[in-house]
Amino acid sequence: DTGVSQDPRHKITKRGQNVTFRCDPISEHNRLYWYRQTLGQGPEFLTYFQNEAQLEKSRLLSDRFSAERPKGSFSTLEIQRTEQGDSAMYLCASSRVGGTSGGEQFFGPGTRLTVL
Amino acid sequence: KQEVTQIPAALSVPEGENLVLNCSFTDSAIYNLQWFRQDPGKGLTSLLLIQSSQREQTSGRLNASLDKSSGRSTLYIAASQPGDSATYLCAVEGPGDTNAGKSTFGDGTTLTVKP
Repeated sequence: DTGVSQDPRHKITKRGQNVTFRCDPISEHNRLYWYRQTLGQGPEFLTYFQNEAQLEKSRLLSDRFSAERPKGSFSTLEIQRTEQGDSAMYLCASSRVGGTSGGEQFFGPGTRLTVL
Repeated sequence: KQEVTQIPAALSVPEGENLVLNCSFTDSAIYNLQWFRQDPGKGLTSLLLIQSSQREQTSGRLNASLDKSSGRSTLYIAASQPGDSATYLCAVEGPGDTNAGKSTFGDGTTLTVKP
């Protein structure tokens, strides 16, 4: 396993369009996280899953954002009716619970979204 | 609400110098603290994870300490090299059961090591 992967790496869309991103975590990891990062800022927590259950969702996440993790494997993040303010890097991370290194998050390369 | 602050925002040092990066957080009831490195336009690379019961972790030229009671962590980099140039971010998970799994990041310290 080569780590967390994300697809696509770059997405350019017009305002009002819907976009969907995919994240494939490290295979034995049961937690999966989504973050958003803008230039010069640290990543901002959006949501996380433990197996297939979405356990936490940021209040910053509007109703236009939805995430799924069917069967506790890969995850998708969908943004409906995109706005220019959605332009950012969307990062996915995964971790496992328990053990001496439990909770250590490993990040994917990110998907850079540009909304025109 | 957990808040994480990293000072300074930017640091420039000559090659070979030892340096310390600082991270402070407002709520001490954390599960863990993790240090990352981020190169421009890239994802984050995990450097060190310190569990709440630990005081420090070491990996190669890196040493991270954690003082929960004072809400502080430091990342010590020995014998800095130009390849260490990057943005260094710290993140804390928690506090409390209601925030388990939720990590709060600082805005990072951008390090430049000059040859």
